[in-house]
This record gives sequence, C-alpha cells and structure tokens, in this order.
Amino acid sequence: NAGVTQTPKFRVLKTGQSMTLLCAQDMNHEYMYWYRQDPGMGLRLIHYSVGEGTTAKGEVPDGYNVSRLKKQNFLLGLESAAPSQTSVYFCASRMTSGDTGELFFGEGSRLTVL
Amino acid sequence: AQSVAQPEDQVNVAEGNPLTVKCTYSVSGNPYLFWYVQYPNRGLQFLLKYITGDNLVKGSYGFEAEFNKSQTSFHLKKPSALVSDSALYFCAVRDEGATNKLIFGTGTLLAVQP
Repeated sequence: NAGVTQTPKFRVLKTGQSMTLLCAQDMNHEYMYWYRQDPGMGLRLIHYSVGEGTTAKGEVPDGYNVSRLKKQNFLLGLESAAPSQTSVYFCASRMTSGDTGELFFGEGSRLTVL
Repeated sequence: AQSVAQPEDQVNVAEGNPLTVKCTYSVSGNPYLFWYVQYPNRGLQFLLKYITGDNLVKGSYGFEAEFNKSQTSFHLKKPSALVSDSALYFCAVRDEGATNKLIFGTGTLLAVQP
C-alpha cells in the first residue's frame, strides 16, 4: 500500500519557468491538500479539494493552480515560478468530512527556484 | 480566529529522561487537537489526537498528550526519551469554520542527546 506518493521529489527551476507537481493516493480518500513548509512558518495550506472535480483556495494560493480531474490525483501547478516559491511541498489526504481529521502525508517535493 | 502555538523552537533532552513538547490552542468551541511528527526528509506522520473523553491520550511510539481545558494546552509527553525520537513535532487544531482543514503550529525540534 503506497499511501500518498508525490512526484518529483526534487526539482530546480529558473525564474519564470512552469512546472507541475503530482500527488497520487491509493486510499480512496475524498479530500486532498497541498501545503508548503518553510523554516519557522510551519505548514501553510495552498489549495485543497473536497472531491473529484472540486478545488478551493487555502491560506497562500497566489501563484499556484490546482486540478483534481481524478479522485486519486491532485496536481499543483506553478505558472511562472518565483524565488519566493522555493520551498518543500507536501500533499496530504483524508477520508471524508465525517472523520476526525487525521491527514496522511506524502514524503514531500523540494523545489528550488533560481 | 482559532490557532495553535508552540512556544519552543527547540527542546533538548538527554536520552532516558522524560520529555515534554508544549502546545497551546485558541478556539471558541470544543477543540479537535492533533500531534504529528516529521523525521528528516520525510513527510508528517500522525501521532495522536484528542476529540473528547479522557484527557490523557495515548499514541504511537510511546507518546502521550495531556489535554487541559483550563490552560488551553495539549502538551506532548514521553516518560523516557530515545535518540530516535529526535524529529520535528507539530501540533494542529481542526479549523472550526472549515472542519475539512487543520491549522498547524510552527513546529518544535526535539533533540535527544545520547
């Protein structure tokens, strides 16, 4: 059981380039999330999805787009990368609104924007 | 607005000694509280949660947490620390306004010396 898988694990971009991070979960979870982790700031929510075909903004959505075309996948896109987007990105999932809120995390994607 | 605070950036403890990682919360209603652990270069892993009931919650790897409503605290504890417990620990509370989201603290680095 793979759980939550993120690809790629590492990426270096130049300012202005675009890229997509892929998150895949095999637990049939309804909810999926993208967070970024920066030193001293904990985890900040970028975007999330409560089901296939739905997305919503989190705390820091600017500069990012997301899509949830399939239930098991949640894509995070950077349209025009900026150095401020250098971070470690984590995807997470959970079952449904009826549970108590436990999140399952991927191992992270480290992005550097030069 | 609800929030969690982790007042210590780092906690140092000798192996075999008891450890405490502090967390305080601010919510208007009854809190759903969580602890997660992050080992180096890994994603976050769920440790334990408090929803209701007994104020002492037991979790994975010998950790426990004590819910104290009067002090609005949810401190993580372990009777005897191991070097392998060295990691980054996050406290989180479920968002009352949007129960599909968790609000994370900034994290506390636990360093256990042999």
